[in-house]
Amino acid sequence: DAGVIQSPRHEVTEMGQEVTLRCKPISGHNSLFWYRQTMMRGLELLIYFNNNVPIDDSGMPEDRFSAKMPNASFSTLKIQPSEPRDSAVYFCASSLREGDLVFGSGTQLSVL
Amino acid sequence: AQRVTQPEKLLSVFKGAPVELKCNYSYSGSPELFWYVQYSRQRLQLLLRHISRESIKGFTADLNKGETSFHLKKPFAQEEDSAMYYCAPPQNTGTASKLTFGTGTRLQVTL
Repeated sequence: DAGVIQSPRHEVTEMGQEVTLRCKPISGHNSLFWYRQTMMRGLELLIYFNNNVPIDDSGMPEDRFSAKMPNASFSTLKIQPSEPRDSAVYFCASSLREGDLVFGSGTQLSVL
Repeated sequence: AQRVTQPEKLLSVFKGAPVELKCNYSYSGSPELFWYVQYSRQRLQLLLRHISRESIKGFTADLNKGETSFHLKKPFAQEEDSAMYYCAPPQNTGTASKLTFGTGTRLQVTL
């Protein structure tokens, strides 16, 4: 298994543009998590899914953020419109066993 | 909600010195806790979980219910231990479990 795959690795965009981050979890894992990492706030849980169903999106900062998981092998995190303060590394992780998360390599987002 | 505190943002030690990365939790019951590590330019990965009572890369972590702590320890630090370390308790929400991380401690091992 290639692990959790995220794309793109890097994204540079201008303020106001729509950004879509993608994640392919490990096959067979039933939970998927989206995290955001910044120097100031560390690792923040944005949203997580269990069996493709969103369970807790209380970490999603604003209505500009949305996440979907249309099937067990794909999830997206969308920011529309993007703002400079959204600049961060966004991680996706999947899990089969409680607490045992496998992380992707992250997407470095820069909003100018 | 289960919460953890990692009081140190940065811990700098010399190679060969003992390391203790602090993690305190603030909830009752029998917590389950994990340590995750992120080496430079690598993915965040599970280092160890307390219920397994294992030693990974020379690190151990003992749950101290009296002090409500789960400190990560290693007797002799190595350069390759330099990384960001996160303490994390899972929170069961009924249908699934989510993992929220502490603010992390950066360990810097110098010669």
